[in-house]
Amino acid sequence: EIVLTQSPGTLSLSPGERASLSCRTSQSISSSYLAWYQQKPGQPPRLLIYAASSRATGIPERFSGSGSGTDFTLTISRLEPEDFAVYFCQQYGSSPLTFGGGTKVEIK
Amino acid sequence: QVQLVQSGAEVKKPGASVKVSCKASGYTFTGYFIHWVRQAPGQGLECMGWINPTSGGTNYAHKFEGRVTMTRDTSFSTAYMELSKLRSDDTAVYYCARWPGPHYGMDVWGQGTTVTVSS
Repeated sequence: EIVLTQSPGTLSLSPGERASLSCRTSQSISSSYLAWYQQKPGQPPRLLIYAASSRATGIPERFSGSGSGTDFTLTISRLEPEDFAVYFCQQYGSSPLTFGGGTKVEIK
Repeated sequence: QVQLVQSGAEVKKPGASVKVSCKASGYTFTGYFIHWVRQAPGQGLECMGWINPTSGGTNYAHKFEGRVTMTRDTSFSTAYMELSKLRSDDTAVYYCARWPGPHYGMDVWGQGTTVTVSS
């Protein structure tokens, strides 16, 4: 099973600041099989990024993904009030599909 | 619009079974796999497995093999997830999610079904 480790656990930032979230996998994966999700309290996850760097439909340009091998990053260029949430990475190239433990982006 | 609508909350006793439904609308049900993902209170996301609505073929995470059964009824564009021998640590929100294919993430999610296991 591929283990995904996200860091930091919590990121305290102000609106307008840049956020960088890390996701490391226990073994190398194809970048085609890495996704990022946003989840707000009481809601299901929302797909932001797939194939490591492709934005899902309707996702603002301030969200971008990068990385390869075992190191992947989600960047939010300028935080908007609605971006404060929990973010999960996921690999879907190897069964079982697995998620990282999440990074909470909170208002500083 | 494209959506997945799940059945309502359930309260079960330990040892019982629960069956959650996930009705698809706004797209061709047989065109996309359906995954089941659960989230225990205050915890992360855990994949349980998937079903191919076209063939009925399934793939279960090893942790759930022997306890989970995923089925579908194409006449009603509905997928089902049944979990048996429930334990208290099965208390969670259970989600279904649509998966377009190998190079995509899970792009549409159901609203979630809360399953509480308590004596």
